[in-house]
Amino acid sequence: GEDVEQSLFLSVREGDSSVINCTYTDSSSTYLYWYKQEPGAGLQLLTYIFSNMDMKQDQRLTVLLNKKDKHLSLRIADTQTGDSAIYFCAESITNTDKLIFGTGTRLQVFP
Amino acid sequence: DAGVIQSPRHEVTEMGQEVTLRCKPISGHNSLFWYRQTMMRGLELLIYFNNNVPIDDSGMPEDRFSAKMPNASFSTLKIQPSEPRDSAVYFCASSTGQANTGELFFGEGSRLTVL
Repeated sequence: GEDVEQSLFLSVREGDSSVINCTYTDSSSTYLYWYKQEPGAGLQLLTYIFSNMDMKQDQRLTVLLNKKDKHLSLRIADTQTGDSAIYFCAESITNTDKLIFGTGTRLQVFP
Repeated sequence: DAGVIQSPRHEVTEMGQEVTLRCKPISGHNSLFWYRQTMMRGLELLIYFNNNVPIDDSGMPEDRFSAKMPNASFSTLKIQPSEPRDSAVYFCASSTGQANTGELFFGEGSRLTVL
């Protein structure tokens, strides 16, 4: 079935790198996404990667995609306290408009 | 654009009461989604519409839940009768679908508490 898995918590020191991992199931997904949710708010798209790419870099964010293992990761360089939030991985489901989200990883950044 | 607009932002009700959540998608978006977020189950897709037609309602928990989209600019999610286990944050999202990147734009959510 459709399932996206993530670890629930990650705690890092300010200035360190954060790596959030995700596994997904639909090997035909066209796009894979990372969304960010701040307290009391909806989800906002952080970045996405097209399935024929292995890596995408956007300022402090690096997305790595391993299609063979169906593994997606998000690396945040020089993590700041403002990066504290819940990060959701999502996959698009082939031939539909659906996105299936993981449980979210709560990132806590401490000084 | 004002983004996806949901109402109410917060609702507290008693078990057995009817609850109606409302959503206005972004103008021009042809797909609309209802998600539910809880600590235990994360973000679950309940139902989605394309061009006002329900396409997949396999995530709707049970017959107490119903959703409608009478036109391109309005959708409702109704729970009747409500139960304490329905307490969650309900999100509406819209998109232009597969025509582009498939990005979903979320509203700020409706936090429901059923006592």
